[in-house]
Amino acid sequence: GAGVSQSPSNKVTEKGKDVELRCDPISGHTALYWYRQSLGQGLEFLIYFQGNSAPDKSGLPSDRFSAERTGGSVSTLTIQRTQQEDSAVYLCASSLEWLLSPLHFGNGTRLTVT
Amino acid sequence: TQLLEQSPQFLSIQEGENLTVYCNSSSVFSSLQWYRQEPGEGPVLLVTVVTGGEVKKLKRLTFQFGDARRDSSLHITAAQPGDTGLYLCAGVGSGNQFYFGTGTSLTVIP
Repeated sequence: GAGVSQSPSNKVTEKGKDVELRCDPISGHTALYWYRQSLGQGLEFLIYFQGNSAPDKSGLPSDRFSAERTGGSVSTLTIQRTQQEDSAVYLCASSLEWLLSPLHFGNGTRLTVT
Repeated sequence: TQLLEQSPQFLSIQEGENLTVYCNSSSVFSSLQWYRQEPGEGPVLLVTVVTGGEVKKLKRLTFQFGDARRDSSLHITAAQPGDTGLYLCAGVGSGNQFYFGTGTSLTVIP
């Protein structure tokens, strides 16, 4: 498909374990964004990439969160030593150009920490 | 962080009724977008407004950007069950990020 693809769609993990969330953006999109959404609420900005570079990491909730993007394409969001408050839907979006074009979202990864 | 406050937070109406959703901020935005999100899916762009005072229509949906570019509204005429979803405004602010609003959850009852 031509849309943004996220995997896994659902992830249940035990408190203290590490998880890795993957995002495949639309081909040719230079900008990639990660957001977190709690049940039925607005989106909390986490991090964005221009190409492989993340100019602003201030949105990451703690040092347990990290993200990388390789080859200007796939991005992974890693959460170490997960906590129950990390439970949320993690949404990835891409856009053709940073800030100048609309965001195309994936369907998200629903993370549940037990 | 530039906050975008949306109101109401929840709205439940009968099919055929009209409604308005508001998106307000104390900050100025260079552009503002509206998205709709359905359960289990990511938000989908409805419209982008860039000029203060701009009005855009998309079938039964009318979007307006405030003159001072600090607020926006979404008006739906004769709501349909298919309009049900979470409506999110998002703006590009001085921090050069997309800031998303708090969301309005709309339920249209057949």
